[in-house]
Amino acid sequence: GAGVSQTPSNKVTEKGKYVELRCDPISGHTALYWYRQSLGQGPEFLIYFQGTGAADDSGLPNDRFFAVRPEGSVSTLKIQRTERGDSAVYLCASSLAQPYNEQFFGPGTRLTVL
Amino acid sequence: AQSVTQLDSQVPVFEEAPVELRCNYSSSVSVYLFWYVQYPNQGLQLLLKYLSGSTLVESINGFEAEFNKSQTSFHLRKPSVHISDTAEYFCAVTRSNDYKLSFGAGTTVTVRA
Repeated sequence: GAGVSQTPSNKVTEKGKYVELRCDPISGHTALYWYRQSLGQGPEFLIYFQGTGAADDSGLPNDRFFAVRPEGSVSTLKIQRTERGDSAVYLCASSLAQPYNEQFFGPGTRLTVL
Repeated sequence: AQSVTQLDSQVPVFEEAPVELRCNYSSSVSVYLFWYVQYPNQGLQLLLKYLSGSTLVESINGFEAEFNKSQTSFHLRKPSVHISDTAEYFCAVTRSNDYKLSFGAGTTVTVRA
């Protein structure tokens, strides 16, 4: 079956603009995660969904970042008033419910804020 | 919160030579440990994981990692590397009752003929 897909693969925007990043998880995976990977660093946790609800959003850096998963499948990460420091690769992952299950990662969206 | 330290950012190695990638973590509670690999132009893939039981875990392509609780380490080894092992390797940890992964900064392995 298909893996985790993310769109767009690349996004270039100007400082102050609004962006949406989409994640389509593996069918049947109830858990969905967003991570952010800056250059030279490992992925950094942003938010985790179990079904439709955000079970843990402790990694969101500030209130400009928001994510939704209205039907428990596709998720959208929304960034308002983008800043140059938001430039990074945004990774989405999905898994079955239990914490020991493998997280399957998408290819990422590379966001560049000019 | 957990933190993960990968002590080597770059590891050059010749083909058929052994390699060891070091990973140390800090956590006061029970954890699960993972190694993920990212091949050039591909996404992160799980290489192996430690949940419980035997402290030595193996992958299908010849890598192994040993969980050492007293040293809070989870080093990754391969006795003989191939050109195709060229990739970036990430160590990750999560508390056993949690979901989010904490990653190290990664180690880039470059295998030369």
